[in-house]
Amino acid sequence: AQSVAQPEDQVNVAEGNPLTVKCTYSVSGNPYLFWYVQYPNRGLQFLLKYITGDNLVKGSYGFEAEFNKSQTSFHLKKPSALVSDSALYFCAVRAGEGSNYQLIWGAGTKLIIKP
Amino acid sequence: GAGVSQSPRYKVAKRGQDVALRCDPISGHVSLFWYQQALGQGPEFLTYFQNEAQLDKSGLPSDRFFAERPEGSVSTLKIQRTQQEDSAVYLCASSSGVGTQYFGPGTRLTVL
Repeated sequence: AQSVAQPEDQVNVAEGNPLTVKCTYSVSGNPYLFWYVQYPNRGLQFLLKYITGDNLVKGSYGFEAEFNKSQTSFHLKKPSALVSDSALYFCAVRAGEGSNYQLIWGAGTKLIIKP
Repeated sequence: GAGVSQSPRYKVAKRGQDVALRCDPISGHVSLFWYQQALGQGPEFLTYFQNEAQLDKSGLPSDRFFAERPEGSVSTLKIQRTQQEDSAVYLCASSSGVGTQYFGPGTRLTVL
């Protein structure tokens, strides 16, 4: 069965420091991996995705994520955090071609950036 | 361009009432998804349409939940005889085939 784990309920980072939000997955076949961000009372906003190719994927707002097949991880990173990055972050996975297209989601990680 | 829109944004229903939630996907997107998000949790898949065909409804929690997309564009999620456990945010997403899913703002349903 497909699954996604976000092991940290909350991550606290000082503004200007690098941030990492962790995600590990379990899926049969090649995974399609996604990161979304959710601000209060707003829908999920797409940040970036990995389908194939370079393991380092760059996305919106300066975020990037590194796909590691051997560790089945897809951690979200940013070199220098901003207070405005504070939000709820979700990792999601979908099995590759020929699969049901639904996304399987992690429980979310609350990111708090302190000035 | 216009994104995914949902209406109403907020809905309060008395237990036992029927509700209908609307989703307007991005124009031209063939795939449409409904998810349910409980407070503090990630979304849970409900159902998936490709054009007007409902290809997967395995996530619908009971036969009180029904979704349709009769013309392959706008979709409606209907919940009959609402229960308190139906209280959640209902998210709609659309995509062009197997591409990235883009989400609407959601409808927050509160059942009293």
